[in-house]
Amino acid sequence: GDSVTQMEGPVTLSEEAFLTINCTYTATGYPSLFWYVQYPGEGLQLLLKATKADDKGSNKGFEATYRKETTSFHLEKGSVQVSDSAVYFCALTSNTGGFKTIFGAGTRLFVKA
Amino acid sequence: DSGVTQTPKHLITATGQRVTLRCSPRSGDLSVYWYQQSLDQGLQFLIQYYNGEERAKGNILERFSAQQFPDLHSELNLSSLELGDSALYFCASSVQGANAGELFFGEGSRLTVL
Repeated sequence: GDSVTQMEGPVTLSEEAFLTINCTYTATGYPSLFWYVQYPGEGLQLLLKATKADDKGSNKGFEATYRKETTSFHLEKGSVQVSDSAVYFCALTSNTGGFKTIFGAGTRLFVKA
Repeated sequence: DSGVTQTPKHLITATGQRVTLRCSPRSGDLSVYWYQQSLDQGLQFLIQYYNGEERAKGNILERFSAQQFPDLHSELNLSSLELGDSALYFCASSVQGANAGELFFGEGSRLTVL
């Protein structure tokens, strides 16, 4: 079945460092890909998305490109801030079986001042 | 504020008991999803409803059941509770069509089974 694999955390960075969180997926058909972010004590919220191959999603300085050839959707940010400390989830939605969204295990990011 | 409302926010109960978690989706969203988030297992998809009908099922135990009512709110019923059911239960809603798959999450219901 469909699955999402993302790098294990926690990831600890200093402020202004470059961030990469790897995400790869397995899916039938042509899924849409998402990154969600969960701040402490809150629910998940959509960070960015891409709906077809070679699309780049971007928001708040974060970017991810839908790579069909490598089945990847890695999250990047050029300069992280303390406020970016959160848990990041990679996810896919396929239209097989009712638009079920599958999440990766989540990667916790700590950013130090 | 995502527009998705979940109650209760916190719930403490004993093993063997039954609880009901409630979710009100965003105005206009027809789909409701339930997820379980535990420390060691990430976010697990339980079940999806669309306009009152079950649409997709994930790793939902037989002790758990859900439904979506005509006013589109949904309830997740957890029975014969075990210690391992302690987790954060999220509800999410979405529209269909062009933005299918973009989920809006509530703040969750934290269940503690003692």
